[in-house]
Amino acid sequence: GESVGLHLPTLSVQEGDNSIINCAYSNSASDYFIWYKQESGKGPQFIIDIRSNMDKRQGQRVTVLLNKTVKHLSLQIAATQPGDSAVYFCAETRGAGNMLTFGGGTRLMVKP
Amino acid sequence: DVKVTQSSRYLVKRTGEKVFLECVQDMDHENMFWYRQDPGLGLRLIYFSYDVKMKEKGDIPEGYSVSREKKERFSLILESASTNQTSMYLCASSLTSYRDRDAEAFFGQGTRLTVV
Repeated sequence: GESVGLHLPTLSVQEGDNSIINCAYSNSASDYFIWYKQESGKGPQFIIDIRSNMDKRQGQRVTVLLNKTVKHLSLQIAATQPGDSAVYFCAETRGAGNMLTFGGGTRLMVKP
Repeated sequence: DVKVTQSSRYLVKRTGEKVFLECVQDMDHENMFWYRQDPGLGLRLIYFSYDVKMKEKGDIPEGYSVSREKKERFSLILESASTNQTSMYLCASSLTSYRDRDAEAFFGQGTRLTVV
């Protein structure tokens, strides 16, 4: 079936380095993608989004890249900080009901 | 700020009990969702609703039902709880819109349900 998935379950980076979290999706009809961050004991929170008519979108310290040719999404975090430690999910939304489908999640661990 | 409130943070229920998980949102969102979150499996959609009294099955609806009698409230029902339904349950809501960020889903804090 159609799915959104992540390549790496755990990513460990040094504080100050850049982090890259990857995501693959299989539904070419998906038109909107979101990255969520989930800290321990909390629900997922929005980080950044991108529409299928874009290749790149930048926020504060975060950048999302979309490659529709290979159905790949990535989240780049610049100068990773300890507060960035969390589980990151990519999600796709499609259809009139904006049904969200999530990937399995990647745990980002930031070493001091 | 959008607020999605789940009635309980922690619940312990016995096998065979009927369990109600309640979710309320205060932003007049059309869409509401119930997910369960398990280690290594991410968030899996159980049911979603795009309007009052409307519901659609998600990826794993078996063993669950839902109720949406009012726009702000979406209830998840476990008709006869089983141990394999022990999980973290997350409710979310969103607008029906294609404008940037308007399709964002806002999540509640989650309900950790243990079935013994």
